Parts: sequence; structure tokens; C-alpha cells
Amino acid sequence: DAKTTQPNSMESNEEEPVHLPCNHSTISGTDYIHWYRQLPSQGPEYVIHGLTSNVNNRMASLAIAEDRKSSTLILHRATLRDAAVYYCILMRWGGSEKLVFGKGTKLTVNP
Amino acid sequence: DSGVTQTPKHLITATGQRVTLRCSPRSGDLSVYWYQQSLDQGLQFLIQYYNGEERAKGNILERFSAQQFPDLHSELNLSSLELGDSALYFCASTAGERGGYTFGSGTRLTVV
Repeated sequence: DAKTTQPNSMESNEEEPVHLPCNHSTISGTDYIHWYRQLPSQGPEYVIHGLTSNVNNRMASLAIAEDRKSSTLILHRATLRDAAVYYCILMRWGGSEKLVFGKGTKLTVNP
Repeated sequence: DSGVTQTPKHLITATGQRVTLRCSPRSGDLSVYWYQQSLDQGLQFLIQYYNGEERAKGNILERFSAQQFPDLHSELNLSSLELGDSALYFCASTAGERGGYTFGSGTRLTVV
């Protein structure tokens, strides 16, 4: 399973944008980049995923570097409810299709 | 409600006992994944089923087993329970390549 590297923790202020980075230098051409977040004592929640192009949905945006070796999850206006652990995961269909969770980035949102 | 249903939400049992955790995937999803999350281990993949067949295995102990039934619900059986098996157990399902994975709210198992 290809590895990802994320900062252990980040802090943000409420209503400001948050950029959560993820490095995945060993990504292969068929690896999708998935982002999930987990609040305490809750199941992980799907945020967004992409392959090559930038993606937007109601929760966030995913910016993928041209060489695909890194990506950034963008929360446009952080709220207190966005405080969670964010996981960046590479997932390849047709192979081992399980999500392999690392330690993620713990995001703290200050009021 | 994520669409993935796990029961029970909480379970307290004694060492040496056996329990069964149940998961109903989102309607139409054929794959079910089981994960264990303990305080010091993070989220660990246990096992995957696809349309009734075992597809992938992770760090699942021999005391643990799972199956997926024709109606696509899945059960995770944990036997000869030890204190260290206390954890949150999550299941997830997915529609496939174009979608994300949907997780249930988990079963909190406490072994005393």
C-alpha cells in the first residue's frame, strides 16, 4: 500500500480557510486520493476523493498537484464542527481495495 | 444516518466470552469492510467481504471470524475475548470506484 505523509496536527481559526497537506510521493497512476475525517467516538466520514483533477463538493475542495505526488484538502470556512482527525489515503481499485488509515492530521479550530 | 447500520451500539462482556457484531451495508453496496479502533492502535483493517465472499484479510486474529450473508449484511464474531479486544469496531461499505466509503457509527466493545 502506497504511503501518505501528513502533519500530526494543525490549528485554524473559525471562519478562516484551512489547507491540509498530504504527501504521497510513491503514488501510482491508478491510485485514487481519498480524504476522510473522524470526530471523537464516531465513525470516519467520507470527505472527498479524486484521481488527477481538482475536485469540489459541498464539504471541501481537493487540489491535486500536477505530478500527483501531493494534494491539499481545502476547507473554505472552518467551523467548530470541522475539528476532527483528517486522513489522506491512497486507494487502488482492482487491487487491495481496503482503506489503510495512518495517523492523520488532528485539526483544532479555535473560536 | 450514514446508511450503514451497526448493532449493537454498546456491548459489555466478560473475558472468555463470544460476541457477534452485525453490520448492514448501504442499500446496493456489495462490499463490507470491518475495522477495529483501539486507543493505541488507530484504525486497523480486519477483513473485507464482497457479495458473500471473502476478498481481503488484514490483521484479524484467529479468534475472530466474519461472514457476509445473501442479503449482504455481515457479522463479525469475536470469541475467547480478552481485555485487549476492547475497542470500537466499525464496518464500512462502498458502491465502488466512483464513490467513497460509508462507515457505520460503530460498536463499542468493552471486555471486563
